[in-house]
Amino acid sequence: DTTVKQNPRYKLARVGKPVNLICSQTMNHDTMYWYQKKPNQAPKLLLFYYDKILNREADTFEKFQSSRPNNSFCSLYIGSAGLEYSAMYLCASSRKLGGSQNTLYFGAGTRLSVL
Amino acid sequence: TQTVSQSDAHVTVFEGDSVELRCNYSYGGSIYLSWYIQHHGHGLQFLLKYYSGNPVVQGVNGFEAEFSKSDSSFHLRKASVHWSDSAVYFCAVSPNYNQGKLIFGQGTKLSIKP
Repeated sequence: DTTVKQNPRYKLARVGKPVNLICSQTMNHDTMYWYQKKPNQAPKLLLFYYDKILNREADTFEKFQSSRPNNSFCSLYIGSAGLEYSAMYLCASSRKLGGSQNTLYFGAGTRLSVL
Repeated sequence: TQTVSQSDAHVTVFEGDSVELRCNYSYGGSIYLSWYIQHHGHGLQFLLKYYSGNPVVQGVNGFEAEFSKSDSSFHLRKASVHWSDSAVYFCAVSPNYNQGKLIFGQGTKLSIKP
């Protein structure tokens, strides 16, 4: 099974409330990524886990948290949602960080709407 | 500055036509170049990538892309498109030490007329 699963597909949240998005893969991949995609914009990397080590991009450092309690599961957490968080959130995984045979697999995404 | 530019936001062709989707990049260091496809309502799906060697790389469903160092380009081509190729196509660059650290272009929406 080479799929990355994201739940839920659609999520509605209220301004100021927390949001938790879930991603899972059963490919025993070392690395899991979260991207944010807004309409008519390029997907943007938010953070990634390599094994148990979390790396957050500098410009999103304080806006998003993540946890990876085991190899298969990774969550994206927003402590207090704002309207600007409305977007598609894409999870991806890869067996390792680099290498010519390495392939990145994306999930179908979770569309978050903040009202 | 690391950037990926896809000059065409929208391309429309007839079924059976050939198509080229353009991608130019600016990045220092050793990189991977890749293309992803996103069908409506779905996640991104890997098409192909280039790191070294033959500058023409073959991908799934008859797609190929050609790397040009002199032009800093990695254009995607298909000789004969099918209606199912209608989608948004993203070009991306990533450092060789972390292929998942992708910098994407804005995407090109490919529409196929019957």
